[in-house]
Amino acid sequence: ILNVEQSPQSLHVQEGDSTNFTCSFPSSNFYALHWYRWETAKSPEALFVMTLNGDEKKKGRISATLNTKEGYSYLYIKGSQPEDSATYLCAFYSGYSTLTFGKGTMLLVSP
Amino acid sequence: ETGVTQTPRHLVMGMTNKKSLKCEQHLGHNAMYWYKQSAKKPLELMFVYSLEERVENNSVPSRFSPECPNSSHLFLHLHTLQPEDSALYLCASGGRTEAFFGQGTRLTVV
Repeated sequence: ILNVEQSPQSLHVQEGDSTNFTCSFPSSNFYALHWYRWETAKSPEALFVMTLNGDEKKKGRISATLNTKEGYSYLYIKGSQPEDSATYLCAFYSGYSTLTFGKGTMLLVSP
Repeated sequence: ETGVTQTPRHLVMGMTNKKSLKCEQHLGHNAMYWYKQSAKKPLELMFVYSLEERVENNSVPSRFSPECPNSSHLFLHLHTLQPEDSALYLCASGGRTEAFFGQGTRLTVV
């Protein structure tokens, strides 16, 4: 059983604050690390897929970094907006055709 | 629209019923997944099919029975479920560099 840990479990910030979450995963047999955004009543939506150590991805105000040697990824949100409120999931893809998810970080951004 | 279609979207069934959930994708993916999301719990992997072969079964009770007749279709057959099986069941397809989810089936067992 692969262990994918996300922290914090939940986060409440004010509009305009910048924030970041952590995803920890096994450093062996690494193939890819995925980040998803999951809004209530919708299906998870892919944000980033990272495959190389040192990868940095950016989409608007959201960015992510990857360290495969130590087994962690950070997701950053700059200038949070209420519409960023969602659960952010990371998922580790190993060589066993399995996408294993963490428990997610629930973000609430208050106006 | 993610390219992964799940039906039905909502299902209410009694504990003695037999029903099936369906997932369909035409994205050319070789791997398909069933996940369960219970209230206030993380996403749990149930089954993985790769090239129509089951590669993982996470100790799921036998009252859940998956079927993958071809690379585009995945079913989850349900029988004699318990009220605690009420949850959102999500199907996904993809793999290493991309994965897409269906809208899920909200299952209520009464």
